[in-house]
Amino acid sequence: DVYLVESGGGSVQPGGSLRLSCEASGFNFFRYEMNWVRQAPGKGLEWVSYISTTGDIRYYADSVKGRFTISRDNTKNSLDLQMNGLRAEDTGVYFCVRDLCGADCYSPRTLAYWGQGTLVTVSS
Amino acid sequence: DIQMAQSPSSLSASVGDRVTITCRASQSITTHLNWYQQKAGKAPDLLISAATTLQSGVPSRFSGSGSGTDFTLTITRLQPEDFATYYCQESYTTSRTFGQGTKVDIK
Repeated sequence: DVYLVESGGGSVQPGGSLRLSCEASGFNFFRYEMNWVRQAPGKGLEWVSYISTTGDIRYYADSVKGRFTISRDNTKNSLDLQMNGLRAEDTGVYFCVRDLCGADCYSPRTLAYWGQGTLVTVSS
Repeated sequence: DIQMAQSPSSLSASVGDRVTITCRASQSITTHLNWYQQKAGKAPDLLISAATTLQSGVPSRFSGSGSGTDFTLTITRLQPEDFATYYCQESYTTSRTFGQGTKVDIK
């Protein structure tokens, strides 16, 4: 079974920083593209960031570009999200998400396996 | 960026009803469309990928259809465990945009 466990959430003041981590198990982590998706309280889902299998390709939502950095360590089966310059609108649950399948996937960019999420609260 | 519009935003239905949720993309996304179910306080679950492919373990009362810009999620014979919020998501672009969600609750 695929397991994704996020950590690192918490409360921070506007302008502050947090680093989220995701520990992956149950699959060959290095073979899969990974993402972060967030959900503000009572709101819908918003894709935040993507990283390729080797980490050389990264994409970000416009709302976080220049402030957030995604990274991965395939030797440790871990995914991180460094969040700087946090704003109140960054408040929400952040999910670590694995793509559906690896190379030559019939349905790329499909968000198949989700962690339980970690809550980030940005407030003064 | 591609915009995804779901309708309705909410609906009330009874157990045993047939429910249809629509998702419209602002431009053609061929069949790069996925559907998710999210229950309160839980992470979303992938129901359908590539517009029509039912994921393993998902009951056959769920089905997806459509291509281009217009897509539909249908639940035949609604069950108590189906009351949840449903999201569509385009997988055509790197932005992976979601629809705003459709909440299905008990009539």
